[in-house]
Formats: sequence, structure tokens, C-alpha cells
Amino acid sequence: RKEVEQDPGPFNVPEGATVAFNCTYSNSASQSFFWYRQDCRKEPKLLMSVYSSGNEDGRFTAQLNRASQYISLLIRDSKLSDSATYLCGYSNFGNEKLTFGTGTRLTIIP
Amino acid sequence: NAGVTQTPKFRILKIGQSMTLQCAQDMNHNYMYWYRQDPGMGLKLIYYSVGAGITDKGEVPNGYNVSRSTTEDFPLRLELAAPSQTSVYFCASGPPGGGGEKLFFGSGTQLSVL
Repeated sequence: RKEVEQDPGPFNVPEGATVAFNCTYSNSASQSFFWYRQDCRKEPKLLMSVYSSGNEDGRFTAQLNRASQYISLLIRDSKLSDSATYLCGYSNFGNEKLTFGTGTRLTIIP
Repeated sequence: NAGVTQTPKFRILKIGQSMTLQCAQDMNHNYMYWYRQDPGMGLKLIYYSVGAGITDKGEVPNGYNVSRSTTEDFPLRLELAAPSQTSVYFCASGPPGGGGEKLFFGSGTQLSVL
């Protein structure tokens, strides 16, 4: 089983809709989780961290489900500018190896 | 602020050639990383370093070498380029304990081996 698994998509979603995707992880010792956004031919940039209590930033909500070993990202009222690839990842305390998923490609359609 | 600087941005190599991808950061970060990203795929860790003089293998180290003689620089060396090394290479840096929350990426080097 891969350490981190994501549905690669593509997700084609109409503007204004709500979209959600998950990322499953296999290492139960994983401690720190995050979502990165990557635009076409650009470097990844941190979108948001994921905390056990959930994390909300404007239209974006990230959640962690330790029991089922997955994290999720919810985007409300999607904008054309949300079109990108979303990478999930994790790191472990005391181990600075950062592991990323393959990414989920999202396209917002006008 | 320069952040993480990678050079070159593009390079075409012939099979068997060697080259060094340069990476420099000016944020005084201890941790530095090299990832490769194949088309439509995620980031795979090649090597990483937690400080000057310390390097460690990641998920896909074969065919690459690194050194970390200073805090600022973390070059990646390809000794005998192969077509399988065609990819986009990203260097990243972060402070100790920052994990994925404080990782800064360079703009990438697109490498083609023909």
C-alpha cells in the first residue's frame, strides 16, 4: 500500500459548486498533515495545515480523521482561480522526511 | 527576499552526461530537500539534509548524489544521466520542526535526458 493515496481526478466542477476530496495515509504514526496547491508548471505552495480539530480558512476546510487514516479538503463556492492540483502530505515528529501524495487535479468550469 | 533559488530552469542532457542542479536558500534554514516530479505525479523525495555536513537518502536516491557543505547550498549531482531521470526537480527548505507547514520550494528545474 502506498504511504499516501489520492484520487488523481481530474475533478471538473462548475463555478460556485462545493468540491471535496480525500487523501488516505498508511502510517498511523504520522503526526503532521497538510495540503499544498500546485499551479501548472509552478512549484507547490502551502494551502493549509490540517489539525485534529479541523482547520478552516475562508472557503477552505481541512479535516483529519485519525481513526480512518485520511485527511480531507473541502472547497466551498469554488472559483475559477481554484483550478490547480492539490497535494496532500504528512511528516512525523522527529523525522523530517515529508511525504506527498500524487495530487488531485481540479478544474473549475465557468 | 530571494527564498529558494534553483538553477538552471531548463536543461537538456544527452544520455551519460553529468550535471549539477544548484539550490541555494537565504533563510538560514537547516532542512533542505530535493524532490522530483514526473508528469501527472506527485513529489518523490530524492535526498534531504538536516544541516551542513548531514545528508540522507529519500525514496528514490539511485542515480543521484548530494552534498551539504554550507547551510545555504544543497546541490544535486547526476553522474550518468538516463532517460528515466527526465523530470522536474524541486528543491525545498524549511526550519527545524517546521514540518510541512513551513516548507519553501524553489521554482524548479525541468530536465530532459535524450
